[in-house]
Amino acid sequence: DQQVKQNSPSLSVQEGRISILNCDYTNSMFDYFLWYKKYPAEGPTFLISISSIKDKNEDGRFTVFLNKSAKHLSLHIVPSQPGDSAVYFCAASRGNRDDKIIFGKGTRLHILP
Amino acid sequence: GAGVSQTPSNKVTEKGKYVELRCDPISGHTALYWYRQSLGQGPEFLIYFQGTGAADDSGLPNDRFFAVRPEGSVSTLKIQRTERGDSAVYLCASSLARLAGSINEQFFGPGTRLTVL
Repeated sequence: DQQVKQNSPSLSVQEGRISILNCDYTNSMFDYFLWYKKYPAEGPTFLISISSIKDKNEDGRFTVFLNKSAKHLSLHIVPSQPGDSAVYFCAASRGNRDDKIIFGKGTRLHILP
Repeated sequence: GAGVSQTPSNKVTEKGKYVELRCDPISGHTALYWYRQSLGQGPEFLIYFQGTGAADDSGLPNDRFFAVRPEGSVSTLKIQRTERGDSAVYLCASSLARLAGSINEQFFGPGTRLTVL
């Protein structure tokens, strides 16, 4: 059973517009949520994280929103740039208890010129 | 500075053979992780080392899989009697030791693509 779900395999967004990637989780014991970005033939690269005690974390063009009651988080990228085209993985961790990261299946983001 | 490196980048083997995959973590990182990414899936946790010892090996799928980190730096993932279902990209990550109540960024290597024919 998937504890971290990304239901959109792909997403296309016009350059300059906002990209919104969604993620749902089932385990209420998760206390950290992370987004990773992956280019072909490279390992995932950490993008941004949020603790379960917060509902928003912002870093430049990237903002992550967490809705604990809905067990839902989203990553907003604004404005979207061509270099943002990649696979984005939503991930979760019980950071206070162990170190393993549980990943979703990923969403492939295409930024259109 | 150098990131996490993994060798080989690609490995093709025949069913039933033994393979070893190597990971060189970032210098000074005491924590090391192995993940497996199958086609169309996200990375799946296999095992985590803190120093030389395996702190959590709950993700290893069966006893054909084994990993070591004898000196607390380089790690080797070993797969015996490989099966076609073992074909995947094997990712290694490293991080600094985790402080209580926090999470450390895991830095990933480029992975080893294993193909079992």
